[in-house]
Amino acid sequence: AQKITQTQPGMFVQEKEAVTLDCTYDTSDPSYGLFWYKQPSSGEMIFLIYQGSYDQQNATEGRYSLNFQKARKSANLVISASQLGDSAMYFCAMRFYGGSQGNLIFGKGTKLSVKP
Amino acid sequence: KAGVTQTPRYLIKTRGQQVTLSCSPISGHRSVSWYQQTPGQGLQFLFEYFSETQRNKGNFPGRFSGRQFSNSRSEMNVSTLELGDSALYLCASSVGRPQSGTQYFGPGTRLTVL
Repeated sequence: AQKITQTQPGMFVQEKEAVTLDCTYDTSDPSYGLFWYKQPSSGEMIFLIYQGSYDQQNATEGRYSLNFQKARKSANLVISASQLGDSAMYFCAMRFYGGSQGNLIFGKGTKLSVKP
Repeated sequence: KAGVTQTPRYLIKTRGQQVTLSCSPISGHRSVSWYQQTPGQGLQFLFEYFSETQRNKGNFPGRFSGRQFSNSRSEMNVSTLELGDSALYLCASSVGRPQSGTQYFGPGTRLTVL
């Protein structure tokens, strides 16, 4: 069964330091995409970064980068130079491209708290 | 460009009532997906629409239904509300067919069932 696992329910990081949020996935489908979303307390899911299963290079978007290790089925999010505004829930999600379905499968999330 | 908008933002209903939630996608986006988020079950897929057709449906009872209009706006309806339907309902839109593109989410509708 296709599944996303985020093993860290909560994490603390000091402001200006880097932090890595873990995400592992389970699938036998060769074609898929991995997404990270941020959800502040307001509730809106904010798209951060995307990695396709066939992408050769790790994705980067500003302070966000994705450490994609396909053989290990992991897609960890790295946030550099943490800011207080980074405090939020972070969700890893996957979508499969083999069929006609487009829905995202989400992990349980990691609550990140940035300390001043 | 305006983001995904959802109305209403907050809603309080009682058991047995029905509710309709609305979602307006980003201009030019043709796919709309709905998700339910609860503390216990996390984020669960409800259904997705493209070109006014339901393309995929999650594992929810028939009390949950939806539709999409010709302008890509979507509504979801929950009939005979139960306490367990209390949740944040999130709508997401993407440019093309459901299996392509990034989904961008709205702020959600927080439904409380008393």
